[in-house]
Amino acid sequence: GAVVSQHPSWVICKSGTSVKIECRSLDFQATTMFWYRQFPKQSLMLMATSNEGSKATYEQGVEKDKFLINHASLTLSTLTVTSAHPEDSSFYICSARELAGGDTGELFFGEGSRLTVL
Amino acid sequence: GQNIDQPTEMTATEGAIVQINCTYQTSGFNGLFWYQQHAGEAPTFLSYNVLDGLEEKGRFSSFLSRSKGYSYLLLKELQMKDSASYLCAVRDSNYQLIWGAGTKLIIKP
Repeated sequence: GAVVSQHPSWVICKSGTSVKIECRSLDFQATTMFWYRQFPKQSLMLMATSNEGSKATYEQGVEKDKFLINHASLTLSTLTVTSAHPEDSSFYICSARELAGGDTGELFFGEGSRLTVL
Repeated sequence: GQNIDQPTEMTATEGAIVQINCTYQTSGFNGLFWYQQHAGEAPTFLSYNVLDGLEEKGRFSSFLSRSKGYSYLLLKELQMKDSASYLCAVRDSNYQLIWGAGTKLIIKP
């Protein structure tokens, strides 16, 4: 099956710093990637849809200037949490959809990145 | 508004069968997904239903009734490793995935 790799898995940073998370599709081209945030014991919350070569589409309530998304190639999307604060501490997960042949819309998820802001 | 309902938590015994229900109210319907998520890990795909009926895949089966806005995930011959959260998600008319809050399944020996 399709593989999505996310890096880093864990990151601890000081308040006010910026953190970049990478999401790569290793064996397929992903024109669209999705970024989710998940707080403990809660479901996935879609933050934004990242389209290769164009601006990301953000969900209501998600600050575009705080969560910068770049999808510069068909295999890489990045999420940068700018000026991170403790309330940004969460589990961030990316996913991509492989569209080759019978699309069931199955999403392939990265391993997730746990961000802790001190 | 759009809504996905599933039980918060369920407990079952190793070797037994458990059914996790999911009801939904969405703007349109383009498929229902079940994902498994172990604590601290990303979700993994289990099943996809777009037509009414039962889809069987090994120990796991998923059922859909579009007229009732209802699905269930059936897990047979439960193993300890099946302890996880099970997420129900519906793709709406805009092809957006609407996620349920997940059902935490606890398996006891």
